Amino acid sequence: AQSVTQLDSQVPVFEEAPVELRCNYSSSVSVYLFWYVQYPNQGLQLLLKYLSGSTLVESINGFEAEFNKSQTSFHLRKPSVHISDTAEYFCAVSDLGLNYGGSQGNLIFGKGTKLSVKP
Amino acid sequence: DGGITQSPKYLFRKEGQNVTLSCEQNLNHDAMYWYRQDPGQGLRLIYYSQIVNDFQKGDIAEGYSVSREKKESFPLTVTSAQKNPTAFYLCASSIDETYEQYFGPGTRLTVT
Repeated sequence: AQSVTQLDSQVPVFEEAPVELRCNYSSSVSVYLFWYVQYPNQGLQLLLKYLSGSTLVESINGFEAEFNKSQTSFHLRKPSVHISDTAEYFCAVSDLGLNYGGSQGNLIFGKGTKLSVKP
Repeated sequence: DGGITQSPKYLFRKEGQNVTLSCEQNLNHDAMYWYRQDPGQGLRLIYYSQIVNDFQKGDIAEGYSVSREKKESFPLTVTSAQKNPTAFYLCASSIDETYEQYFGPGTRLTVT
């Protein structure tokens, strides 16, 4: 079964510093990849996604993620973070080969990484 | 504006009572999902539905029930059989199995 690992449960960083949130998934032939952001007591919002094409995808607020098939990774990066980036970030994978008749839905989520940006 | 609504935002119940959480979407999405979120555990799938009048159990369906009588609505009932019902519940929808999911604002359920 597909699985997603977010290696860091918490990442503290100072404002204007760069940050990388790591995400690895178990091997699969074809996948769609997503990063979601969640602010306290709110639902998840899509940050960016990889479906096909360029392996580097960007969001409108300066985040980017690179799909690396050989390393089965989809790490999220930002060159300079702001206080407002403080949130929890979830990596998710849609396995196109998944048996939908089984017990799982179509997105497998990591356990999340809490990004805390300090002044 | 299109989107997903969940009501209420906060819900309090006594142990032993069933409670139903509402989820409505006007995005014309076929697929809908219910997740449970607990601190440090990410999102765990409870139930999902890919089409009206059909739904499938997720990873933690025990103690929960759903219905999908209309495309727009996918209510979740937390029954008294659910041993640890206190959690944050998130509803989502998607165009089909291969596209991103859109999430509602969530319902925080507290059972005492």
